[in-house]
Amino acid sequence: AQSVTQPDIHITVSEGASLELRCNYSYGATPYLFWYVQSPGQGLQLLLKYFSGDTLVQGIKGFEAEFKRSQSSFNLRKPSVHWSDAAEYFCAVQPRTASKLTFGTGTRLQVTL
Amino acid sequence: ETGVTQSPTHLIKTRGQQVTLRCSSQSGHNTVSWYQQALGQGPQFIFQYYREEENGRGNFPPRFSGLQFPNYSSELNVNALELDDSALYLCASSRWGDSYEQYFGPGTRLTVT
Repeated sequence: AQSVTQPDIHITVSEGASLELRCNYSYGATPYLFWYVQSPGQGLQLLLKYFSGDTLVQGIKGFEAEFKRSQSSFNLRKPSVHWSDAAEYFCAVQPRTASKLTFGTGTRLQVTL
Repeated sequence: ETGVTQSPTHLIKTRGQQVTLRCSSQSGHNTVSWYQQALGQGPQFIFQYYREEENGRGNFPPRFSGLQFPNYSSELNVNALELDDSALYLCASSRWGDSYEQYFGPGTRLTVT
């Protein structure tokens, strides 16, 4: 069965600092890969996705993620964090033949001024 | 373009009662998926509806059931509510065969007392 691991439960960074959130997945074949962001009490907003092709994908709000097949990883990065980026971030995988997402447990990002 | 909407926003029920949650899919989407997000966890896939039939189910008991209507809107019904059913219930819509990218609604917060 597929699984997603986000090893960092909580990360604190200073505004303006760089950010990397880790995501590893376990799946038989390369799935579709997603990063979502969730503000408190809100639904999920898609930041970016990887389906195929270039392994470095750009998303909204200045985020990017790199797919590394050899490491089964899909880490999220941002060069300079803004206070408004404070939220919960979820990595998710989806089979290429069905729209059923499997989520990680999330990483809570706190941004200090 | 209208996004995914859910109703009600919040709901409080008593253990043993039944509840119905509603979802309107995004314009042009014909597939609806439901997810349960317990506090501090990632969303868990409940089931998916396509062409008014269940098309995939996660590890949830039969007291979780659903419907999809000809206009692609959907309902999630939960019978015999338990305290552990307290969660944020998220609906996501997508277009079958179109990369399966899902768009989430804001969710319904269900509290079971």
